Amino acid sequence: GAGVSQSPRYKVAKRGQDVALRCDPISGHVSLFWYQQALGQGPEFLTYFQNEAQLDKSGLPSDRFFAERPEGSVSTLKIQRTQQEDSAVYLCASSLGQTSFSTDTQYFGPGTRLTVL
Amino acid sequence: GESVGLHLPTLSVQEGDNSIINCAYSNSASDYFIWYKQESGKGPQFIIDIRSNMDKRQGQRVTVLLNKTVKHLSLQIAATQPGDSAVYFCAENWGGTSYGKLTFGQGTILTVHP
Repeated sequence: GAGVSQSPRYKVAKRGQDVALRCDPISGHVSLFWYQQALGQGPEFLTYFQNEAQLDKSGLPSDRFFAERPEGSVSTLKIQRTQQEDSAVYLCASSLGQTSFSTDTQYFGPGTRLTVL
Repeated sequence: GESVGLHLPTLSVQEGDNSIINCAYSNSASDYFIWYKQESGKGPQFIIDIRSNMDKRQGQRVTVLLNKTVKHLSLQIAATQPGDSAVYFCAENWGGTSYGKLTFGQGTILTVHP
């Protein structure tokens, strides 16, 4: 079975451009997470979806960051007016996550490496 | 906020040796802990997890130990192989209504020499 996939794998953007990063979770997984990983650091939580509902967006660093999951499967993380400090690997993870208290295993995708020039 | 940290950023071992990677956590409310392995250019890969009502859990060649008294977590890898070379992260789930989001430590680079 396919794991979590992300596209593009690499994205280079000029400062000020908008970017859209896609995540295809494992089929049937209710929960979807986005994390940001700076070079040499551990991933940091950005936002969480349970089906199509965005239940936690406390980790989004600014209002330039926006995520959606309109049909409860594929998710898109959009960054508007990119800045150099947005350069990082953006990781998507999914889990069965049937409840808000879930501790189901999170399976990660390969990430999208964003470089803002 | 509270976070998970690691004692050692790098660890070098010889093939066949046992490896121990340590992690300290500070959130006493955390009820679930996970170790992930991350190879270059890849996403984190689940290795093993442990819940706060346990103090030891074993997998294939790996053992996780949890000491809640001193808030310490460790990953033991038996008979380390070159393929084990990677960055290892511990992560914690703060429990309650945190929706399962994870807080990761900085990571330990494990290098296995043939």
